[in-house]
Amino acid sequence: EPEVTQTPSHQVTQMGQEVILRCVPISNHLYFYWYRQILGQKVEFLVSFYNNEISEKSEIFDDQFSVERPDGSNFTLKIRSTKLEDSAMYFCASSEPLIYGDYEQYFGPGTRLTVT
Amino acid sequence: QQQVKQSPQSLIVQKGGISIINCAYENTAFDYFPWYQQFPGKGPALLIAIRPDVSEKKEGRFTISFNKSAKQFSLHIMDSQPGDSATYFCAASTAAGNKLTFGGGTRVLVKP
Repeated sequence: EPEVTQTPSHQVTQMGQEVILRCVPISNHLYFYWYRQILGQKVEFLVSFYNNEISEKSEIFDDQFSVERPDGSNFTLKIRSTKLEDSAMYFCASSEPLIYGDYEQYFGPGTRLTVT
Repeated sequence: QQQVKQSPQSLIVQKGGISIINCAYENTAFDYFPWYQQFPGKGPALLIAIRPDVSEKKEGRFTISFNKSAKQFSLHIMDSQPGDSATYFCAASTAAGNKLTFGGGTRVLVKP
């Protein structure tokens, strides 16, 4: 069964450093997303990406964040200068919405980002 | 208006019992309501979803009930098993491709 994969599973970085989180969405999917989950809290939307551009972003997704689809398979989230409050689990998701139906989003296993 | 409110925060049920989790929303533009199951250290996994044109959907031991007029929906887990012990999130979306807005989650513990 196709699945979303993410690397690394755990990333430890120092405050102020840049990190890149990587995702490989399901191959025939068209929409890509990043969500985050601070420990013990709900899953929060960060950004959605379609047709090589951001389609929606939340207020969390400020200028420190960027996304990119550098090739036909990878989807990345970059945090330019990490802060302590960026420590969270970051989930990539993808979906293949048709004209009607199929809203389903499939999540990867997540990358745990720890900023020290 | 974008919030989805979920209750209870935690739930303990005996094996074989029924787990019931409730969610409420305000945004009438929401038209897709999935439930996700999450085990510790894992990503959310889609469990079951419903659109507002039906009032109930059942898949195995999992049933979603939907009340459009009350803007509420709920997940029932019948014959709960210890393997069902997980955190359950309701969510909502306005259109295909759009973001999911998640509820706060319910930690379910099924005691053997």
